Amino acid sequence: GENVEQHPSTLSVQEGDSAVIKCTYSDSASNYFPWYKQELGKGPQLIIDIRSNVGEKKDQRIAVTLNKTAKHFSLHITETQPEDSAVYFCAASGAGANNLFFGTGTRLTVIP
Amino acid sequence: EAQVTQNPRYLITVTGKKLTVTCSQNMNHEYMSWYRQDPGLGLRQIYYSMNVEVTDKGDVPEGYKVSRKEKRNFPLILESPSPNQTSLYFCASLGPLPGQGIYGYTFGSGTRLTVV
Repeated sequence: GENVEQHPSTLSVQEGDSAVIKCTYSDSASNYFPWYKQELGKGPQLIIDIRSNVGEKKDQRIAVTLNKTAKHFSLHITETQPEDSAVYFCAASGAGANNLFFGTGTRLTVIP
Repeated sequence: EAQVTQNPRYLITVTGKKLTVTCSQNMNHEYMSWYRQDPGLGLRQIYYSMNVEVTDKGDVPEGYKVSRKEKRNFPLILESPSPNQTSLYFCASLGPLPGQGIYGYTFGSGTRLTVV
């Protein structure tokens, strides 16, 4: 099956700086790559996703890039704010987006 | 409010005592799933259901059962819980996210299960 690796496991940045989280996947058939944000005591929440027919997608301060040749994708958060502090998960799946294979998570801390 | 509701939030039980974690969604999604979250392992799929009366195993189904008698409910059953099933469990449904214009998973708030 699919194997998703995520780095780093923890990340601390100063407020206003950028944060980058990287993931690699193993199954070249995967074509759906969502990112989830999990706040303390809550379930993961979808924040952005990208499909394999697109190389980059942006939504305000959040962007995701995908390199299908290298089988890696990244989450970029610009102008970080304290409320961005959370655990972020990347995931990969096939076209139906049914069975998501998750990375192990990145705990992001934004220091005011 | 569109949501996935699971209960209970916290549960401590003893080895071998059958338990059920309930899950309900109000978005009319056909696809529902259960995940467990363990430190350093991310989320792993236990079981999923593509529609009423259609269920199948995920990546870590051993020791679990599910049922899907109606579209909105997808309970997780542990017939004889063991300590290695101590974990944080999430129910999720897959479909259009109301008001967001995207298609993806909506997760419940989680059930922290401890088996002693």
